[in-house]
Amino acid sequence: EVQLVESGGGLIRPGRSLRLSCAASGFTLNGYNMHWVRQAPGKGLEWIASISSDHTAIFYIDSVKGRFTISRDNANNSLFLQMDSLRDEDTAMYYCASEKGWDLGHFDSWGQGTLVTVSS
Amino acid sequence: QSVLTQPPSASGAPGQRVTISCSGSTSNIKSHAVSWYQHLPGAAPKLLINGHLQRPSGVPDRFSGSKSGTSASLAISGLLSEDEADYYCASWDGSLNGWVFGGGTKLTVL
Repeated sequence: EVQLVESGGGLIRPGRSLRLSCAASGFTLNGYNMHWVRQAPGKGLEWIASISSDHTAIFYIDSVKGRFTISRDNANNSLFLQMDSLRDEDTAMYYCASEKGWDLGHFDSWGQGTLVTVSS
Repeated sequence: QSVLTQPPSASGAPGQRVTISCSGSTSNIKSHAVSWYQHLPGAAPKLLINGHLQRPSGVPDRFSGSKSGTSASLAISGLLSEDEADYYCASWDGSLNGWVFGGGTKLTVL
């Protein structure tokens, strides 16, 4: 069974850092572009970062550029999101999602999410 | 304000057909694939219509997607109570160099 499981969320003070992880099982991340999408309380889905299957292409939404870093470890079938200088507005459920490199244009699998709460 | 525009709500009686629109621009929907996702509270979002406007395996044929120019639509026929959920469209935006989602449409089955 294809599965993505996020972890690393929690309550964190503004200005601090947090690292999210996404573990894949039932398939290998090789060949998949990977993404982080978040949903703030009462709001819609918001894409925040992408990394290509070979690490060569990385994209971020403007609001997290310079603060968040997406990375991956294909050998360990994992995706990461390093979040620095956290702000109140980063409070959200964070989802990882996969996109087949040979069938682009949609997020075919999603995790259940990990909740990040930024508050003093 | 989302880059892709969806109505905030839609509704229909069981058995009816509803359509949810998604309006974009030349830098996203007109130039790139559009996909649709169903999101139930507390669950992972689920791919409903892929970038080829096809249903992934397991998605009922009551769901269909279309695209024309800078707009796309999701149609749900034979509404069931289990279809109550939030629905989102998404596309790559070549001007922003990032993915964009619609604001989401909350579907209520009356």
